[in-house]
Amino acid sequence: KQEVTQIPAALSVPEGENLVLNCSFTDSAIYNLQWFRQDPGKGLTSLLLIQSSQREQTSGRLNASLDKSSGRSTLYIAASQPGDSATYLCAVELNFGKGTSLLVTP
Amino acid sequence: DTEVTQTPKHLVMGMTNKKSLKCEQHMGHRAMYWYKQKAKKPPELMFVYSYEKLSINESVPSRFSPECPNSSLLNLHLHALQPEDSALYLCASSRLGQPGYNEKLFFGSGTQLSVL
Repeated sequence: KQEVTQIPAALSVPEGENLVLNCSFTDSAIYNLQWFRQDPGKGLTSLLLIQSSQREQTSGRLNASLDKSSGRSTLYIAASQPGDSATYLCAVELNFGKGTSLLVTP
Repeated sequence: DTEVTQTPKHLVMGMTNKKSLKCEQHMGHRAMYWYKQKAKKPPELMFVYSYEKLSINESVPSRFSPECPNSSLLNLHLHALQPEDSALYLCASSRLGQPGYNEKLFFGSGTQLSVL
């Protein structure tokens, strides 16, 4: 079964910093990888989907990259804001990592 | 309409009760999913329906019974649950439910279930 790992488990940064969240997976034969945001007790909001043929996707201040051969993806958040505070989850097809809990302090 | 709607938002039930969770989408998606999420844990896949047929059952106990009456609706029937079944139950949908396609998952806001 595909194992998805996210590091760090938690991250606290001051407002305005750029940051990188990491996701790794064990089976490189994937079709797509998706990044989600989850606020406490809420559902998941899709941020970016990267298909296996793509290397990166961008949406606003977010950029996600994919390196299938090494089994890694990164989510880059530019100029972080307190409103970015949430848990960020990486999913390889239907399998989720444990997430990174992000706190952006004013 | 890019929403997946789940009802109820909160549910408290006893171990002898029977209840149902409902999920609805009107995006024309042909795949629908149930996930279970415990506090501070990742979502765990329970069931997948593709074209109204159960395609994945992740060895979920029989006290959870899914139903897909049509392509827009997904139910999860609950009976004789245990306190450890208390969790956030998430519904999701995607266009086709087939690998190799642009299968973006759309999630509802979930039902927070407490079993007493």
